[in-house]
Amino acid sequence: QVQLQESGPGLVKPSETLSLTCTVSGDSFSGYYWTWIRQPPGKGLEWIGYVDYSGSTNFSPSLKSRVTMSMDASRRQFSLNLKSVTTADTAVYFCARVGVGKAVRHWGQGILVIVSS
Amino acid sequence: YVLTQPPSVSVAPGQTASITCGGNNIGSKAVHWYQQKPGQAPVLVVYDDSDRPSGIPERFSGSNSGNTATLTISRVEVGDEADYHCQVWDRNSDHYVFGSGTKVTVL
Repeated sequence: QVQLQESGPGLVKPSETLSLTCTVSGDSFSGYYWTWIRQPPGKGLEWIGYVDYSGSTNFSPSLKSRVTMSMDASRRQFSLNLKSVTTADTAVYFCARVGVGKAVRHWGQGILVIVSS
Repeated sequence: YVLTQPPSVSVAPGQTASITCGGNNIGSKAVHWYQQKPGQAPVLVVYDDSDRPSGIPERFSGSNSGNTATLTISRVEVGDEADYHCQVWDRNSDHYVFGSGTKVTVL
């Protein structure tokens, strides 16, 4: 059974870069979209984007200019970088494994990132 | 692509709750539904419009036609109180889209 675990700083200053890592255990990396989803406090879920095994990426149009994602299959990790953050980027960030065009069956527990000076 | 959900639905125990998810020609897309309790990650309860993952009670069912998809919870229990989110995959852009979420309150 695949398991995912987010890690990274819980506090980031405005204008800086938010960096998170997701560590994967229990399954192959190939054939899936390794995905980041976030949820601002009291609000709905927002798809950020994905990176696949080959390193190809696809991002939400609203975040595309600020997001990068990468994959390190040898370490069984993938990562999210979101630059020039503001308080609007305060959210719980989830990593997830998604089949192409499929439902999200496997989620990390989520990590709260607060943007504040 | 935009998905529209009502902010809240209230239902008495034992009754039926219906949660809608509106989108342009959503009937042509596969709709997935997630249950999320406070402080927890979402859990998939219905996928591909009307299929249930193993371990999800038969009380959870889904339908999808035209411009509206619906998640139906029959014989509602207190433990069903949660936020419910719909989601689709937009084939043209290869983007995943979530609705705004519906809070189900069991009175």
